[in-house]
Amino acid sequence: EAGVAQSPRYKIIEKRQSVAFWCNPISGHATLYWYQQILGQGPKLLIQFQNNGVVDDSQLPKDRFSAERLKGVDSTLKIQPAKLEDSAVYLCASSMGLAGDNEQFFGPGTRLTVL
Amino acid sequence: GEDVEQSLFLSVREGDSSVINCTYTDSSSTYLYWYKQEPGAGLQLLTYIFSNMDMKQDQRLTVLLNKKDKHLSLRIADTQTGDSAIYFCAPQVGGSYIPTFGRGTSLIVHP
Repeated sequence: EAGVAQSPRYKIIEKRQSVAFWCNPISGHATLYWYQQILGQGPKLLIQFQNNGVVDDSQLPKDRFSAERLKGVDSTLKIQPAKLEDSAVYLCASSMGLAGDNEQFFGPGTRLTVL
Repeated sequence: GEDVEQSLFLSVREGDSSVINCTYTDSSSTYLYWYKQEPGAGLQLLTYIFSNMDMKQDQRLTVLLNKKDKHLSLRIADTQTGDSAIYFCAPQVGGSYIPTFGRGTSLIVHP
């Protein structure tokens, strides 16, 4: 079974530029998550989708971050405009249903550096 | 303070047992997870314990839960160099089942 795919793996941009990350979850997984992991910290949930609907986006800085999962499969996370403090690894995860008994499977992440 | 606290580093000799400790604040946590992160890789769920359990054993892993003290620990028996990684304590916090991650403990295993 293929795992969670993310691209690109690395991205370097200058502040005030825009960037987008892509995630393809495991086939059949209804729930998709985006996390931000700043160096030296644990991952922090940004947004959770159930199929194509948002379940929780309370931690998403909506003035600059947006995410969508239009067809309930792939998802994109966008930052516009980027700030220096957005430098982090962005992790995508998926699970069959809502977490708890449903294990979350994580992708390898996209490492973003904002100069 | 932080919702989840762990010591940042643990160094052990190969073959010894490793014990990684964690304290958390949310007494309503139902699922308490342990994740492993190897360099350049995503997170891997190692094990989890349900809040009505005191202990869970899975091969070389033993999880102990002291719900009264809100203390969780992960013991790895016969630690190998391949166990070197960052280990995250991640109790579910609040009404969702989403894990809330600590800062992680870097486990260094030396020969």
